[in-house]
Amino acid sequence: EVQLVESGGALVQPGGSLRLSCAASGFTFSNYWMHWVRQAPGKGLVWVSRVDGDGTNTNYADSVKGRFTISRDNAKNTLYLQLNSLRAEDTAVYYCARALQPVTSSSGKNWFDPWGQGTLVTVSS
Amino acid sequence: DIQMTQSPSSVSASVGDRVTITCRASQGISSWLAWYQQKPGKAPKILIYDASRLQSGVPSRFSGSGSGTDFTLTISSLQPEDFATYYCQQANTFPLTFGGGTKVEIK
Repeated sequence: EVQLVESGGALVQPGGSLRLSCAASGFTFSNYWMHWVRQAPGKGLVWVSRVDGDGTNTNYADSVKGRFTISRDNAKNTLYLQLNSLRAEDTAVYYCARALQPVTSSSGKNWFDPWGQGTLVTVSS
Repeated sequence: DIQMTQSPSSVSASVGDRVTITCRASQGISSWLAWYQQKPGKAPKILIYDASRLQSGVPSRFSGSGSGTDFTLTISSLQPEDFATYYCQQANTFPLTFGGGTKVEIK
């Protein structure tokens, strides 16, 4: 069974840092792009970042560029998101999501399936 | 960035009703559109990708259509388990963007 389990969410003060993890199982992790998507309380979905299969190429939303860093450890089947210089507006549930199709596919790498259960990051003093 | 605008933002419907949700992109995105369903407290689930391809395991009462800038998600006969919030998402260009969501409520 394909499974994604996020961890690392916490209450942190403005300006602080946090590292989120997403443990993957049930599939060949290195064969898939991975994404982070967040959702502020009561709000809609916002894509945050993606990393390709070997961790070489990344993309970010403008709102997090320069503050957040996505990475992966394929030996540990784990995706990470380093959050620095946190702001109140970063408060959200952070979901990791696998690409629908593997890296060998000509498309489908920017659709999300499956998703993890999410981890809550609260930025407040 | 490509803006995705969904309408309506909410709809009240009864079991058995046909429901249509619209998503408009601020510029052409070919068929690079997906639809997701999210229930309260749960992660989203993909329903449709490439504008009209039904994800494996998703009931056939869900269908998607459109290309370019205008897209629709149709639920042909609403079931009790379909009451949820639905989001469209474009994958034509980074940053990937979602619509604001459409909440389907019980009438």
